[in-house]
Amino acid sequence: DSGVTQTPKHLITATGQRVTLRCSPRSGDLSVYWYQQSLDQGLQFLIQYYNGEERAKGNILERFSAQQFPDLHSELNLSSLELGDSALYFCASSVSAQGNWNIQYFGAGTRLSVL
Amino acid sequence: SQELEQSPQSLIVQEGKNLTINCTSSKTLYGLYWYKQKYGEGLIFLMMLQKGGEEKSHEKITAKLDEKKQQSSLHITASQPSHAGIYLCGAAKPNSGGGADGLTFGKGTHLIIQP
Repeated sequence: DSGVTQTPKHLITATGQRVTLRCSPRSGDLSVYWYQQSLDQGLQFLIQYYNGEERAKGNILERFSAQQFPDLHSELNLSSLELGDSALYFCASSVSAQGNWNIQYFGAGTRLSVL
Repeated sequence: SQELEQSPQSLIVQEGKNLTINCTSSKTLYGLYWYKQKYGEGLIFLMMLQKGGEEKSHEKITAKLDEKKQQSSLHITASQPSHAGIYLCGAAKPNSGGGADGLTFGKGTHLIIQP
């Protein structure tokens, strides 16, 4: 158990809908990262938050957004869903973004199926 | 953007045999992470390498970083069924604060251990 909790584990929805994925980082970790894993694209970095603020952006679509709350949990919002958004979404957390090559610990993921 | 190429893409090894997985970067490697993933599950951190020539070992797994060749290798000695899974290498991109942002991952190497 990595200590990173993601809910829900599975999500089935229809095209055009909006969903929210939730992540609770390990106790004491300030950084949260979101990744998307699909068969064709592999594991891709989406976005990073550090202590409530956006820190870095990767290949995140405009239809997707995220935020990190004062209690450090994070949510990834996916809207206007398309079939191609079906994937495993991972959250990872690390202690700090500043001055350290920190280990990112991954949650078990949320499997999103868009029908 | 940085790309990581892993080889081989898949590997079938008889239990007890040694094996090596390679990860080659299209750009300079500042930090290299190795993770293991069971199918459809989260990533488990194995090792992190930061300096050229660095070598780390954990149980029967050894990882090396060849900075000049922009390459890392993961070697498993006397493989066991528990070693089966997907091995992913991830490269860290340094940020302005001296730390690292989201990781760029290779496509993974699927390892099967035959009894």
